[in-house]
Amino acid sequence: EDQVTQSPEALRLQEGESSSLNCSYTVSGLRGLFWYRQDPGKGPEFLFTLYSAGEEKEKERLKATLTKKESFLHITAPKPEDSATYLCASEGAAGNKLTFGGGTRVLVKP
Amino acid sequence: DVKVTQSSRYLVKRTGEKVFLECVQDMDHENMFWYRQDPGLGLRLIYFSYDVKMKEKGDIPEGYSVSREKKERFSLILESASTNQTSMYLCASKGQSLNQPQHFGDGTRLSIL
Repeated sequence: EDQVTQSPEALRLQEGESSSLNCSYTVSGLRGLFWYRQDPGKGPEFLFTLYSAGEEKEKERLKATLTKKESFLHITAPKPEDSATYLCASEGAAGNKLTFGGGTRVLVKP
Repeated sequence: DVKVTQSSRYLVKRTGEKVFLECVQDMDHENMFWYRQDPGLGLRLIYFSYDVKMKEKGDIPEGYSVSREKKERFSLILESASTNQTSMYLCASKGQSLNQPQHFGDGTRLSIL
């Protein structure tokens, strides 16, 4: 059974204080590792897809990386508007179905 | 941009009622999904559909059914609502190509009294 675990559960940062979120996964035949951002009362918003170990993707202050067992979401010099819950999810060999981690709640204080 | 629209943001129903949650997508996606999201439990897949009139059970289908009569519309049905079905319900859609992401609606917060 596919499993995805995110840590930490919550992260409080000062504005400008860079940090990393961890996503550990156990998946049969990884097809894709997805990162989403979710604001309170809203649905998850797609950020990145990573397909293979060594791959990296960037968007503004966010950079996602992938190894064979983990993915990291690095937040560089965060701003208060980066406050959100960040979710990672894996898609395995069965296709279509995503397995989600529990998320990391990030609060960036000015 | 993909647009996934859920018909209600908030809904309050009574125990035993039959409840319909509607979802429409505008990208001609083959695949559509229903999740529920609860604190401490994350997102859990209820049902998904890979084509019109086709459906597959997800991880927690008990107490739910679905309907997909048209490609753009996917309905979640609570046959006889119970208080433990109070939750945030999220609909998503996805194209057929490999590795495409799922795109989510803004959710329906359903309260069963």
